[in-house]
Amino acid sequence: NAGVMQNPRHLVRRRGQEARLRCSPMKGHSHVYWYRQLPEEGLKFMVYLQKENIIDESGMPKERFSAEFPKEGPSILRIQQVVRGDSAAYFCASSPTTGLAEPRTDTQYFGPGTRLTVL
Amino acid sequence: AQSVTQLGSHVSVSEGALVLLRCNYSSSVPPYLFWYVQYPNQGLQLLLKYTTGATLVKGINGFEAEFKKSETSFHLTKPSAHMSDAAEYFCAVSDIKAAGNKLTFGGGTRVLVKP
Repeated sequence: NAGVMQNPRHLVRRRGQEARLRCSPMKGHSHVYWYRQLPEEGLKFMVYLQKENIIDESGMPKERFSAEFPKEGPSILRIQQVVRGDSAAYFCASSPTTGLAEPRTDTQYFGPGTRLTVL
Repeated sequence: AQSVTQLGSHVSVSEGALVLLRCNYSSSVPPYLFWYVQYPNQGLQLLLKYTTGATLVKGINGFEAEFKKSETSFHLTKPSAHMSDAAEYFCAVSDIKAAGNKLTFGGGTRVLVKP
């Protein structure tokens, strides 16, 4: 069973360009989380999605950032008009459908991350 | 809001020595707690988690952690450090008010193992 896949692993953009980060969850996982890790800091939650639904976007910046998880295909984190402060590692994590289990106990499986550099 | 504090952003240990990484959390209700490890240029890997039951939790690679409610702590230990333990370690807590399992992470502790 392949792990969480993220691509690209490294992405360089100039200020004002768009960045698209892709995340393919583990097979059978329908929950996707995006986190951002700024240099020398811990991970900060951005958004939680299930198929075709944004469940919690409380950590997303109000402008320029959006996320989706379509019925088919990977989850996409999109950053429009990037600025230097967007330079960070962006991690995606997935977890399985929990059924009756308490979702807060679910293990999240992390991808290798996409390292975005804005010039 | 919940928070996680990891004391010491860098820890240096000798190979074979005890590894002790400190984590304190704030939560108004019993928390679910996690320790993750991150190797250079890789994603996070779960070491162990506490949900309910036994307060001493054993994880992978010889690590264990003890949940102490009275001290609001979840310190990570390993009796004997190995060179392969050099990595960054993150403590995290589930957000009780959020749907799903939104995690709040501490700032991380980078472990250096000296031969």
